[in-house]
Amino acid sequence: ELKVEQNPLFLSMQEGKNYTIYCNYSTTSDRLYWYRQDPGKSLESLFVLLSNGAVKQEGRLMASLDTKARLSTLHITAAVHDLSATYFCAVDANAGGTSYGKLTFGQGTILTVHP
Amino acid sequence: EAGVTQFPSHSVIEKGQTVTLRCDPISGHDNLYWYRRVMGKEIKFLLHFVKESKQDESGMPNNRFLAERTGGTYSTLKVQPAELEDSGVYFCASSQIAGGRGTQYFGPGTRLLVL
Repeated sequence: ELKVEQNPLFLSMQEGKNYTIYCNYSTTSDRLYWYRQDPGKSLESLFVLLSNGAVKQEGRLMASLDTKARLSTLHITAAVHDLSATYFCAVDANAGGTSYGKLTFGQGTILTVHP
Repeated sequence: EAGVTQFPSHSVIEKGQTVTLRCDPISGHDNLYWYRRVMGKEIKFLLHFVKESKQDESGMPNNRFLAERTGGTYSTLKVQPAELEDSGVYFCASSQIAGGRGTQYFGPGTRLLVL
């Protein structure tokens, strides 16, 4: 059974600081997603990482994937209050087979950015 | 373009009652997914429709849960009879690309509380 673990689960940051959220997963997959969720809202897709070494950046967020280490990172640069949210990584458990789409989620990282 | 919508946003029912949740995917998306997040746990996959067919229902917890997608458009998830442990947030998602390879776009969820 695929397991996905995020750490930290809670992250309190000051504005302007940098930090990284880690996502480890237990079996081979080459399809990993990062989502953001604001309280009471839907999950918003941030990044799709599809190959080893993939790196994507959007604003102050940068995501990377190392399929050999089964590790993805979400790096936050110079955090601002608007980044406060819950961040999830999700791995496609069926990736590589004939059917994609069964996502296995990490526990989520609750990020709070303080002024 | 309208996103994934879910109805109701909240539902409070008593143990033993029946509840039906509805999901309207993004127009043109053949793939539709149901997920659930029980309090304090990860978001868990329930099932995946391709048009009106169940592609993968490996996450359905038991036979009290019935999902349908008649006509390949909207989907319903019925819980009958509801138990206390069914409380949680039920998310629906849809994606466009064949084989479930595309990014999944999530709805805001239905918050179900079984008393």
